[in-house]
Amino acid sequence: GAVVSQHPSRVICKSGTSVKIECRSLDFQATTMFWYRQFPKKSLMLMATSNEGSKATYEQGVEKDKFLINHASLTLSTLTVTSAHPEDSSFYICSARGTGTGTDTQYFGPGTRLTVL
Amino acid sequence: GQQLNQSPQSMFIQEGEDVSMNCTSSSIFNTWLWYKQDPGEGPVLLIALYKAGELTSNGRLTAQFGITRKDSFLNISASIPSDVGIYFCAGQLSGGTASKLTFGTGTRLQVTL
Repeated sequence: GAVVSQHPSRVICKSGTSVKIECRSLDFQATTMFWYRQFPKKSLMLMATSNEGSKATYEQGVEKDKFLINHASLTLSTLTVTSAHPEDSSFYICSARGTGTGTDTQYFGPGTRLTVL
Repeated sequence: GQQLNQSPQSMFIQEGEDVSMNCTSSSIFNTWLWYKQDPGEGPVLLIALYKAGELTSNGRLTAQFGITRKDSFLNISASIPSDVGIYFCAGQLSGGTASKLTFGTGTRLQVTL
């Protein structure tokens, strides 16, 4: 149980375009989802926390107008990178926490590698 | 944001050897977690620790929650090639917005035959 999927697993886009990444909890309801960013050989850095039906809470230094997060249902959250630039290239990972998984345990998706040309 | 310090940063060991790595923080946490990340994948939870002083095992893995609540260690016994990967510790304060995880800097493990 407690499976989280992400789609797509890899995406390559041109500079200036927008990219949407989906995060789904497959066998539980995710009341909270988290979005992380990871640069090569670095640790995971939390970008934002989203609760179903409310606005996301962004970490300091993360531009909310650039990284749009929507958590419209208990099984789906999306991250849209708007007007992407090469410096946005990174590995984006979501995690989900919710009822039936244990009180605070987060389960991670497999990640999405974004390359902006 | 804050990161937890892990040591060693990387290590090469021979198959069959035991491995030890630790994680330290300047602030206390209520929960310590250990994850393993394979290349191009998301982290997978290995062990969760909920109480200061707690010692928990999962197969060949053993982890301890430090008494001060500011550190934790992970041991892997009799390492095998599939243990290769990056190990991250994470600290968590329970409840509300404090439930977010703070990750360590990672320990890269490579196992030679």
